[in-house]
Amino acid sequence: EVQLVQSGAEVKKPGESLKISCKVSGYRFTNYWIGWVRQMPGKGLEWMGIIYPSESDIRYSPSFQGHFTISADKSINTAYLQWTSLRASDTAMYYCATKGGVPYDAFDIWGQGTMVTVSS
Amino acid sequence: DNQMTQSPSSLSASVGDRVTITCRASQNIGNYLNWYQQKPGKAPKLLIYGSSTLENGVPSRFSGSGSGTDFTLTISSLQPEDFATYFCQQSYRIPQTFGQGTKVEVK
Repeated sequence: EVQLVQSGAEVKKPGESLKISCKVSGYRFTNYWIGWVRQMPGKGLEWMGIIYPSESDIRYSPSFQGHFTISADKSINTAYLQWTSLRASDTAMYYCATKGGVPYDAFDIWGQGTMVTVSS
Repeated sequence: DNQMTQSPSSLSASVGDRVTITCRASQNIGNYLNWYQQKPGKAPKLLIYGSSTLENGVPSRFSGSGSGTDFTLTISSLQPEDFATYFCQQSYRIPQTFGQGTKVEVK
C-alpha cells in the first residue's frame, strides 16, 4: 500500500527556519513526482511545486516567488519543504501528494498534512 | 498561469438531488482536468482524472465531462457522505493550478 506520512505540526516565530518532511512507502520513491500543496486556513488548494527524486528535477510555482525550497533524500524515501525565513502568511496546512498511479498527472495519493503556524 | 474558475462557490442541496459543478480554464488544457473531494480536517481525495475517468473505488454516481476549457462534475444522486468541498485542477502545464473550490452544503 502506498503511503505518504508527513511530519508533525509546527509552531514557529516569524524569521525562523523550518523543514517539514513527507516519507513515502509502498512504491519506488525515485519513479514518481511528488508535489506540495498549500491550504491557508479556510481557503482553497494552492499548487506550490513538484520534485522528481531520481533526477532532482524540481518545478516551482512562480506565484510563490522562491520563498521556499523543495528537496528529496532518495536514501530514506523522503521529500522536504523548507523555508529559511518564515512569515506570518506562511501559516497554513501543507500537503504532499504523489502522482504515480494514474495518468494525466493527477495527485492520487496524499499525505495527512502538516499544520504550520507562524506567530510572534 | 492557467486560471481555473469554478462555479458556484457554494451550493445547498438535499440528499437525492442531482448536483452539477462547473470548472472553466483560462487556456485550453485538453483533458488534463482532475476533480478532488475534501472533507473538513482531511486531505483531498482524487475522484476523477483525465476529465472523466473515475478513480478506483469512487462511486458511479460521480461523473465528469468536458474538454478544452469547460468541464463539469456531476453527482447524480447526492448522498450524505458527499457533503464536502470539491476542487478542480488542471495538470496540463506548470503550475498545475486548482480552482477555488465549491462547497456542497445541506439544504
